[in-house]
Amino acid sequence: AQSVSQHNHHVILSEAASLELGCNYSYGGTVNLFWYVQYPGQHLQLLLKYFSGDPLVKGIKGFEAEFIKSKFSFNLRKPSVQWSDTAEYFCAVSGGSYIPTFGRGTSLIVHP
Amino acid sequence: DAGVIQSPRHEVTEMGQEVTLRCKPISGHNSLFWYRQTMMRGLELLIYFNNNVPIDDSGMPEDRFSAKMPNASFSTLKIQPSEPRDSAVYFCASSQIDRGSTEAFFGQGTRLTVV
Repeated sequence: AQSVSQHNHHVILSEAASLELGCNYSYGGTVNLFWYVQYPGQHLQLLLKYFSGDPLVKGIKGFEAEFIKSKFSFNLRKPSVQWSDTAEYFCAVSGGSYIPTFGRGTSLIVHP
Repeated sequence: DAGVIQSPRHEVTEMGQEVTLRCKPISGHNSLFWYRQTMMRGLELLIYFNNNVPIDDSGMPEDRFSAKMPNASFSTLKIQPSEPRDSAVYFCASSQIDRGSTEAFFGQGTRLTVV
């Protein structure tokens, strides 16, 4: 069975600070990896995804993530956060079943 | 495409009543998921349909929950009878499962409150 672990439950940053959110997954085969963002009161939206190829994936709004297969990790990064990045961030993995399994989420608060 | 459409957006009901949540997936998508989101348990998969057939319903909490997908453009999630612990946000998501693409698109969700 596949599973996802997000290490940081709550992160508080000031604007312009750098961000890195940890994500580790458990699955023995080929995986698809995702980061979704959920702004307050809204639905989940895709930030970026990894299927194959370059392990450094660039998404929308300046976010990027790096797939490190040896560490079963897919950490999300942004060099300089903005107040508008305040949201909940979810890492997800799908394996052979194609069913996305989500982590518990990380709440990010950015102070202006 | 308008995306995944869910209705209602908000539902308040009394304990013991039947609740039906509705979902229209993105046209052409062959897979549909129902998730429940709570503070305590995060995002939980309830059921997964592929080509209108339930493939994995192991996440359905108990017999009070049932889901149907009578055709490719419509799905329902029914709770009967509802209980206060069912209060949550229920999301429907759809995707086109094929080689190399499993991205799920989410609806706006239905916030259910059972009093």
